[in-house]
Amino acid sequence: KAGVTQTPRYLIKTRGQQVTLSCSPISGHRSVSWYQQTPGQGLQFLFEYFSETQRNKGNFPGRFSGRQFSNSRSEMNVSTLELGDSALYLCASSPFRGDEQFFGPGTRLTVL
Amino acid sequence: DQQVKQNSPSLSVQEGRISILNCDYTNSMFDYFLWYKKYPAEGPTFLISISSIKDKNEDGRFTVFLNKSAKHLSLHIVPSQPGDSAVYFCAASRVNYGGSQGNLIFGKGTKLSVKP
Repeated sequence: KAGVTQTPRYLIKTRGQQVTLSCSPISGHRSVSWYQQTPGQGLQFLFEYFSETQRNKGNFPGRFSGRQFSNSRSEMNVSTLELGDSALYLCASSPFRGDEQFFGPGTRLTVL
Repeated sequence: DQQVKQNSPSLSVQEGRISILNCDYTNSMFDYFLWYKKYPAEGPTFLISISSIKDKNEDGRFTVFLNKSAKHLSLHIVPSQPGDSAVYFCAASRVNYGGSQGNLIFGKGTKLSVKP
């Protein structure tokens, strides 16, 4: 079975721009969660989607949003980028909510 | 407020010996705990998990112990191998708490170095 895939792997943007990151979960997995990893804050939960509905949201501003499609693929969007948004963004999938989560390789976002 | 803490940023162990990684949590409602291993430039890889109804779970060289009264869990790796060198993250969730199942709370990680 193919693992979780994330595209793109690397991204460079400038302040004020917006960005969309994509995640394809493991086949058959219906829950997708997003995390932000930074050196100072570690891994922090952004949001979780299940059956195309956001089920849970972390403590991030409204500039961070996401969605899930009927095939369970998910996208996250960050608008009006700030320097502090530079991070590794990780997507994780699981068959159902509460199961072990399997992570993708991440998208490294650099905001200049 | 950090709900999951890994107080040792790094640990160095000789090959063949035991590695013990520790994790403390503050939220007594956590009922599911996981350990992940992460290599640079890769996403975390799931290692082992434990439900709060158990106090031990074993998978090959990896054993996780849970002490609910102390709100403490540990990961034992026996014997340690150089390929185990990575950052290890402890994570917790509230599986039986509606709305929080997909939210893992992570510690900040412990970098394990296994020396040949």
